Amino acid sequence: AQSVTQLDSQVPVFEEAPVELRCNYSSSVSVYLFWYVQYPNQGLQLLLKYLSGSTLVKGINGFEAEFNKSQTSFHLRKPSVHISDTAEYFCAVSENSGAGSYQLTFGKGTKLSVIP
Amino acid sequence: GAGVSQSPSNKVTEKGKDVELRCDPISGHTALYWYRQSLGQGLEFLIYFQGNSAPDKSGLPSDRFSAERTGGSVSTLTIQRTQQEDSAVYLCASSLTRTGGVYGYTFGSGTRLTVV
Repeated sequence: AQSVTQLDSQVPVFEEAPVELRCNYSSSVSVYLFWYVQYPNQGLQLLLKYLSGSTLVKGINGFEAEFNKSQTSFHLRKPSVHISDTAEYFCAVSENSGAGSYQLTFGKGTKLSVIP
Repeated sequence: GAGVSQSPSNKVTEKGKDVELRCDPISGHTALYWYRQSLGQGLEFLIYFQGNSAPDKSGLPSDRFSAERTGGSVSTLTIQRTQQEDSAVYLCASSLTRTGGVYGYTFGSGTRLTVV
């Protein structure tokens, strides 16, 4: 079974500074990887996903993530954050089982706080 | 509808009472998922419905939890004899096919359940 570890539960960062949110996964088969964002009192919104191909994936709101198979990581980055990026970010993984993969396993989330 | 709709948005109930949480998925989405989000615990998979297939109930934490999906559309999650540890945000999501684990889900805004 797959698992996801988000190494930081909270990340404070000053406005316009860069940020990296870390995610590591564990799986015995190949995987699909996702980052979701949750704004206060809302559901989760898909930021970006890695299915195959280029290991650098670009998503909405200027975020990008890089898949590193050897390090089993999928870290999320943004070169310059805005106040509006304050939210909780979830990394998720599903297994490429060939039979149709339906279940996402989520990490515990990282709360990003952007400081003016 | 345009998005995944969940009701009620907030529910406060007394310990020992039964509650029903409703999810109305995006029209045409055949797959429906329930997750539980507890403080600091990330998202816990509860149950998955796909079309007319038998649901995957492997994530339901106890026999007090049950869910049904009528007509392949609306789903109801029922918690009997609620306990304080059931307090959480219950999130529903849907996807176009059984490969939601490939393309990602669309989440509702959740139902915040508080058991007092």
